[in-house]
Parts: sequence; C-alpha cells; structure tokens
Amino acid sequence: KQEVTQIPAALSVPEGENLVLNCSFTDSAIYNLQWFRQDPGKGLTSLLLIQSSQREQTSGRLNASLDKSSGRSTLYIAASQPGDSATYLCAVMNSGYSTLTFGKGTMLLVSP
Amino acid sequence: ETGVTQSPTHLIKTRGQQVTLRCSSQSGHNTVSWYQQALGQGPQFIFQYYREEENGRGNFPPRFSGLQFPNYSSELNVNALELDDSALYLCASSLAELEDSYEQYFGPGTRLTVT
Repeated sequence: KQEVTQIPAALSVPEGENLVLNCSFTDSAIYNLQWFRQDPGKGLTSLLLIQSSQREQTSGRLNASLDKSSGRSTLYIAASQPGDSATYLCAVMNSGYSTLTFGKGTMLLVSP
Repeated sequence: ETGVTQSPTHLIKTRGQQVTLRCSSQSGHNTVSWYQQALGQGPQFIFQYYREEENGRGNFPPRFSGLQFPNYSSELNVNALELDDSALYLCASSLAELEDSYEQYFGPGTRLTVT
C-alpha cells in the first residue's frame, strides 16, 4: 500500500526566503507525482506534475524534483511571498491506476 | 474551457440522513474521481468512474455510492450519515486516454457538516 509523507508539517518563514518542502513515498512504482496548493477551506490547485520518466519541472518561482528510486520529491519555492501562504500537498499516482495517494500536507506561512 | 464545478458549496445534515453531492467534469474529460478530506488530513480516495462504470474504489463502506452520467457529470451519495462523514468532498476529472498525463483537475469541493 502506497504511503506518502510530507515534512515538515508546518513552516513559518519571513518574506523573501527560499524554501524546500519534502515529500517521500514508499512504493517507487509510480506513474506521476503532483504538487498541489490548497487555500483554507478551498479546493486543490495543481502546481506541477512530474511524469515518472522526468527528473524535474519548473513553473515560475517553483521547481519540483523527483527521485523515483529513492522515493523522494522536493518542492523548491524561490523568493517566498505572503501570497504563497497555503497548504502544499504532494500526491502520487501508482502505475496501473489513475487515482492519487496524498500526503497530509505542509502548512506554509510567509510573513511580511 | 469550463473547469470542474461542484454543488452545493456547503451542506449541513443530521446523523442518519442521506446526502447527494454533484460534480460537473471539465469539458472533454471522461473520468471522475471523488475524494474525502477530513480536517487537517490529505484527501482520501473514495471511488472513480470511467464512462459511467465504477473503475476503482478506496476503503469506504457501501453506504458511499456514486453515479456517472452520459455527459460525464457525477454524483456522490452517502446514506446513514455519521458524524465522521463531516469533511470536504472533492471531485476531480481527467481524460483517461491522455496517457502522457492522467492529470487530475479538482473542483472547489463541498463542505459537509453532520450534526
């Protein structure tokens, strides 16, 4: 059974800092990995999707890497802003299925 | 292109009652997945529908049931509501034939409170 763990559970940083969110998964037979953003009480916004054959994806100030063999992914946020405050969720899709297994998320607070 | 929509936004029900939640897929998508997200937790997979057939189910009891219609919209039905069913219910659509992606697009969710 796939299990996804995210560290840290919460993170508080001052504006402008670069930061890294970590995600690990137990079964390396994944099809892809997605990072999502969730604002309080809201739905999920997809940030980046990395196929199992890829090593990283970039979008603006966000960069996500994937090391499938070690079961790890990181989300790097450059020059953080107060508007980045949200919960960030990592989810993996196992090969042969098209459903997602989620971690519990990292709650990020960026203070001005 | 219309995104994934869900209704209602919020719902309050009493223990033992039944509830129906609705989801409209993103245009062109033929697969719908439903997830339950309890407070402070990641979403948990309930079930998935592909071309009107159930295509996988998570660890949820039979009182959680669903439907997918010919236009690929979907319903989630929960019978005999329990207090622990209080959660945000998320619907996600995808295009199964898009083998390079299977990217799932989520709706805004329905917040269900059971009292």
